[in-house]
Amino acid sequence: DTAVSQTPKYLVTQMGNDKSIKCEQNLGHDTMYWYKQDSKKFLKIMFSYNNKELIINETVPNRFSPKSPDKAHLNLHINSLELGDSAVYFCASSLRQGQETQYFGPGTRLLVL
Amino acid sequence: DQQVKQNSPSLSVQEGRISILNCDYTNSMFDYFLWYKKYPAEGPTFLISISSIKDKNEDGRFTVFLNKSAKHLSLHIVPSQPGDSAVYFCAASAQNNNDMRFGAGTRLTVKP
Repeated sequence: DTAVSQTPKYLVTQMGNDKSIKCEQNLGHDTMYWYKQDSKKFLKIMFSYNNKELIINETVPNRFSPKSPDKAHLNLHINSLELGDSAVYFCASSLRQGQETQYFGPGTRLLVL
Repeated sequence: DQQVKQNSPSLSVQEGRISILNCDYTNSMFDYFLWYKKYPAEGPTFLISISSIKDKNEDGRFTVFLNKSAKHLSLHIVPSQPGDSAVYFCAASAQNNNDMRFGAGTRLTVKP
C-alpha cells in the first residue's frame, strides 16, 4: 500500500541506451513531479505535471521526456543515456498545484557506465 | 544558483540534547517553508512546515522557527533521539509556484 512507488529501484546501464523509470501514486493527488538528486546531494526539480498536463519543465536536456498516461502515473523516459545522468531520481506527488506538501517515492538509483 | 542553503553538511548531537538545523534562503518571494527527513535508500518524508505569516510552528519534539528579515529558518528537535539520525532537507516555495527549492541537506547523527 505504498503511497508513491517507483520502478525500478536500481538501474545500471551502458552509455547510449534508452531507459524508462515508472512512477505511480495511489493518493488521489492531482500533481506529480520528477526530481534529480545529483552527486552533490541537491534535489532539483525536473518536471511537474498537473492532471496530466506539463506545468514545470526546468532546464533539462530534451533527452528526458516525461509521460503522464493518467494523473496517477508519471513516467520518465531517458534517451541516449550519458555518464552525467547517473543520479538518484525521485518521483513525488501533491494534492494539487501550489504550496502543497509533496510526498516522495523511494527513488531510482541510476548508474550509467 | 542555490536559493536555499544548508551550510552545515553534518551535525552530531548526544541523545536527549537539542538538535538545531539551520537553513538560509536568498529569494524574498519564498513564503512557504518545509523540512523533510530522509533515511538512506528512502525518499524524503515531510516533517513540518511553516508559512511566512508565522514565525514559529511546533509539532511534538519538532519546532521550526522563521526569521523573515534574516531569511533564515531553523529546525529544533528536542529531545533528540537516535531514531532522528537522518539527512534533513530544508525546502522553500513562492506562492502560486510549484517550483520547490531544496537545500543540500544536513546529516544529523544522534549518539546514544
